[in-house]
Amino acid sequence: EVQLVESGGGMVQPGGSLRLSCEASGFIFSTYWMSWVRQAPGKGLEWVANIKQDGSDKNYVDSVKGRFTISRDNAKNSLYLQMNSLRAEDTAIYYCARDSREMDVWGQGTTVTVSS
Amino acid sequence: QLVLTQSPSASASLGASVKLTCTLSSGHSNYAIAWHQQQPEKGPRFLMKVNSDGSHNKGDGIPDRFSGSRSGAERYLTISSLQSEDEADYYCQTWGTGIRVFGGGTKLTVL
Repeated sequence: EVQLVESGGGMVQPGGSLRLSCEASGFIFSTYWMSWVRQAPGKGLEWVANIKQDGSDKNYVDSVKGRFTISRDNAKNSLYLQMNSLRAEDTAIYYCARDSREMDVWGQGTTVTVSS
Repeated sequence: QLVLTQSPSASASLGASVKLTCTLSSGHSNYAIAWHQQQPEKGPRFLMKVNSDGSHNKGDGIPDRFSGSRSGAERYLTISSLQSEDEADYYCQTWGTGIRVFGGGTKLTVL
């Protein structure tokens, strides 16, 4: 079964850091781009970042550039999102997705709350 | 700038059909898109990719009631024989070099 499982969410103060993880199974992880997508409370989906199969190319939405870093470990079938200098507006459910240009597999999400 | 526009809401009766629209921004009318469904309190689910020629490729297990099409810069998701579980938010999504873009979503109410 193709599956993505996120972890690492939680509550953090403004200015703090958090590292999200996503473990993939059921497909050859190293052959796919991967993305992070988030959804603020009551809002729509927003693409955050993606990473090429070998990690050599990464792209970010403007609002997280310089604060978030996407990475992957193909040996562990895992995707990561390091989030620094967190702001209240980063509060959201963060989804990991297999990125075939279309997001064709989604995880169940992990919740990040930035609040003092 | 690559932008997708969706109506915020739509409604249709149980057993009827509904056609949701996603409009590509000027200069991007030949782009392929994807449709995703998000049922209440659940994560998104990939429904299908609508190619630039209007053909579509559905995800695993997506019922035949769901189909995709296009006309010019508009991309459509048609759901026939509406069921209560089709009440959900529907998002279109497209891609440019490196970037991914989502429409604002359409909330479908099944009456």
